Amino acid sequence: DVKVTQSSRYLVKRTGEKVFLECVQDMDHENMFWYRQDPGLGLRLIYFSYDVKMKEKGDIPEGYSVSREKKERFSLILESASTNQTSMYLCASSFDRGFYNEQFFGPGTRLTVL
Amino acid sequence: GQSLEQPSEVTAVEGAIVQINCTYQTSGFYGLSWYQQHDGGAPTFLSYNALDGLEETGRFSSFLSRSDSYGYLLLQELQMKDSASYFCAVRDKGNTPLVFGKGTRLSVIA
Repeated sequence: DVKVTQSSRYLVKRTGEKVFLECVQDMDHENMFWYRQDPGLGLRLIYFSYDVKMKEKGDIPEGYSVSREKKERFSLILESASTNQTSMYLCASSFDRGFYNEQFFGPGTRLTVL
Repeated sequence: GQSLEQPSEVTAVEGAIVQINCTYQTSGFYGLSWYQQHDGGAPTFLSYNALDGLEETGRFSSFLSRSDSYGYLLLQELQMKDSASYFCAVRDKGNTPLVFGKGTRLSVIA
């Protein structure tokens, strides 16, 4: 079974702190994604990566950066956390099959910024 | 750009059938997917339609009409455990991220 794990289920940080959210997948997937999920807004794509060292902006990249130094690990970084970044953060991964690739999601990290 | 529309909430009775609709607007089209998410859980894949017609997987079926830019998820013999949020998702190019609708919260009542 594909397994996507995230470093924390719950995280509380203070405004201005630098926050690292880690995601690891164990199925050698090429593609990895970071979404945030807010009530009534669905899943919104922050950043994604098709390969090591590669990254692409999603729909809402402002205030975030990412790092992919190894194929299995994709990190989301909040350079200076703000209260409007309080949200559920979901990581996902998928194979690169060119046509359809099912996305496998991690359990999510619920981040609260005070 | 892409946009998807689906109802925000649906309520149905245990044992009944419910249909969750999704309309989409995309520049290209690489299929319509459905994901289920229970409260506090991760979204999980349910189905994928690339061609017109009905795909059946047990109690769940998914339908696509590309000419109408429309699809639906059909859940039969509803069970309480089907209470969850259901998301439709599309991709307008090969190997690009899925774009998700805002989700439909299904409540199954006794």
